[in-house]
Amino acid sequence: EVQVLESGGGLVQPGGSLRLSCAASGFTFDDYAMHWVRQAPGKGLEWVSAISAKGGSTEYADSVKGRFTVSRDKYKNMLFLQMDSLRAEDTAVYYCAKDPVRSFILSGSFFDPWGQGTLVTVSS
Amino acid sequence: EIVMTQSPATLSVSPGERATLSCRASQSVSSNLAWYQQKPGQAPRLLIYGASTRATGIPARFSGSGSETEFTLTISSLQSEDFAVYYCQQYNNWPLTFGGGTKVEIK
Repeated sequence: EVQVLESGGGLVQPGGSLRLSCAASGFTFDDYAMHWVRQAPGKGLEWVSAISAKGGSTEYADSVKGRFTVSRDKYKNMLFLQMDSLRAEDTAVYYCAKDPVRSFILSGSFFDPWGQGTLVTVSS
Repeated sequence: EIVMTQSPATLSVSPGERATLSCRASQSVSSNLAWYQQKPGQAPRLLIYGASTRATGIPARFSGSGSETEFTLTISSLQSEDFAVYYCQQYNNWPLTFGGGTKVEIK
């Protein structure tokens, strides 16, 4: 079964840093792009970042560009999101999601499956 | 950035009735449009991709249509488990963007 499972959320002060992790299983990890999507409390979905299958290409939403860094480790089947200079508006549940289309080129895609999410709260 | 607009924000429907949800893109996204279902406290679930292709395991009562800028998700006969929030998402251009969602509630 294809699964992704996030961890690493928590409470952090404004200006602080946090690193989210996503463990992938049930598929050949470095054949698929991966994404982060977030959802602020009571709000809709916002795509955050994407990384290509081999990790050579990345994309970011303007709201996080320059502050967040996505990476992956093919040996551990792990996806990461390094979040720096955190702001109150970054408070959200962060979901890890798999691109279901096997491709080595990073192109826009949809998401399936999604993890259960990890909550990040930025507050003093 | 492509703006996705969903309507209505809330749809009140009786079980067994048909529900029609709309999604409009601010510019053409071809058929690069997906629909998701999200229930309270759960992650979104992929329903439709390519505007009209059902994802694995999705019941036939869910159908998608449209292209370019106008899209529709139809639930032919609402079941109790279908009451949820539905989101559309375009994947034609970066950044990937979602609509604001339509909540389907029990009438």
